[in-house]
Amino acid sequence: EVQLVESGGGLVQPGGSLRLSCVVSGFTFTTYAKSWVRQAPGKGLEWVADISGSGGSTFYADSVKGRFTISRDNSRDTVYLQMNSLRAEDTAVYYCTKTTMGVRGVKFDSWGQGTLVTVSS
Amino acid sequence: QSVLTQPPSVSGAPGQRVTISCTVSSSNIGADYDVHWYQQLPGTAPKLLIYGNNNRPSGVPDRFSGSKSGTSASLAISGLQAEDEADYYCQSYDNSLSGSVFGTGTKVTV
Repeated sequence: EVQLVESGGGLVQPGGSLRLSCVVSGFTFTTYAKSWVRQAPGKGLEWVADISGSGGSTFYADSVKGRFTISRDNSRDTVYLQMNSLRAEDTAVYYCTKTTMGVRGVKFDSWGQGTLVTVSS
Repeated sequence: QSVLTQPPSVSGAPGQRVTISCTVSSSNIGADYDVHWYQQLPGTAPKLLIYGNNNRPSGVPDRFSGSKSGTSASLAISGLQAEDEADYYCQSYDNSLSGSVFGTGTKVTV
């Protein structure tokens, strides 16, 4: 059974930093890409970042480019999202996903339960 | 900015059929990339419902079906059930962004 378990969310002041973690199981870690998708309170889904199966390629939404970094630790089956220079508009539930990348685009096969990040003074 | 536009809400009685449209506004998506659909039940994480325009993952009832034509896609739910009350999102890929875009979301009320 595929499982993705996020952690690391919490309350942080504007301008601060936070690192989210996502431990995965139930599939070969290096075979699939991983992504972060967020959902602001009462709002829709917003793609944040992807990291390829090999870890050699990363992609970011314009709204987080230069502030967020997605990375992975193959030995720990864990993907991270380092978030710097946080803003109020980054407040959201952050979901980690098992992602399939192909010539016809990207799909998010499985989702974690999410971790809440609140940016407020 | 790519936008996938969905109606904010649709409703139907138990047993009826409802459809949710997803209109692509960017030529960077168009016919080259697949549309996928996700179901988000209240208070839970989204779940992949339809992939590759019209394919159901294992375990998804055949009451759910998807289609795509040009720059428009749709999700149909037939034999509507109370448990289908949820938010539904379409999603595709924009090569100009090198990233994914989600639809605006549709709340289905039974």
